Amino acid sequence: GDSVTQMEGPVTLSEEAFLTINCTYTATGYPSLFWYVQYPGEGLQLLLKATKADDKGSNKGFEATYRKETTSFHLEKGSVQVSDSAVYFCALIGSGGSNYKLTFGKGTLLTVNP
Amino acid sequence: SAVISQKPSRDICQRGTSLTIQCQVDSQVTMMFWYRQQPGQSLTLIATANQGSEATYESGFVIDKFPISRPNLTFSTLTVSNMSPEDSSIYLCSVPGIPPYEQYFGPGTRLTVT
Repeated sequence: GDSVTQMEGPVTLSEEAFLTINCTYTATGYPSLFWYVQYPGEGLQLLLKATKADDKGSNKGFEATYRKETTSFHLEKGSVQVSDSAVYFCALIGSGGSNYKLTFGKGTLLTVNP
Repeated sequence: SAVISQKPSRDICQRGTSLTIQCQVDSQVTMMFWYRQQPGQSLTLIATANQGSEATYESGFVIDKFPISRPNLTFSTLTVSNMSPEDSSIYLCSVPGIPPYEQYFGPGTRLTVT
């Protein structure tokens, strides 16, 4: 079945540091890939997405590129802020996913210190 | 995007009792999803609720424990029955968006069972 493996946390960075959270997946065909973010005390929000190979999703300074050859979708940000402190989830929906079922990674807790 | 509300936002319940969680969407949708997020864990899909038909449950989840209603295209309920401390989790509902590969999540219901 489909699965998502993402970097174990927690990750602690200083403000303005570079962020990478690794995510790899196992799925047949061409899944759609997502990063969701969960701020403290809030529900999940879609951060960015990519639906085909070599697509780059971007939002709020975050980027991730769909790499079919390495089955990866790593999240990056050049300069993190305290307000980026949250839990980040990598997820996929399998191709031909008529049921739209999301498969999530375990989440990575990011803490950014001033 | 869809706006989703859930009630209650949180609750503390005694073991052996049941809690019904409501999910309301601001637009008509065919599918609604219910997820569980156990403490420090990722999200796991409980079931898919289609209006006018029985819910489809994922492996490890049964209707007797998590009965679901879907009376119309904007509303669903999930009941957590005969609760035990292991049911302490955040329960979230979600709906597919347009394009359908996106999903929008409600704010979640934080349940603590004592």
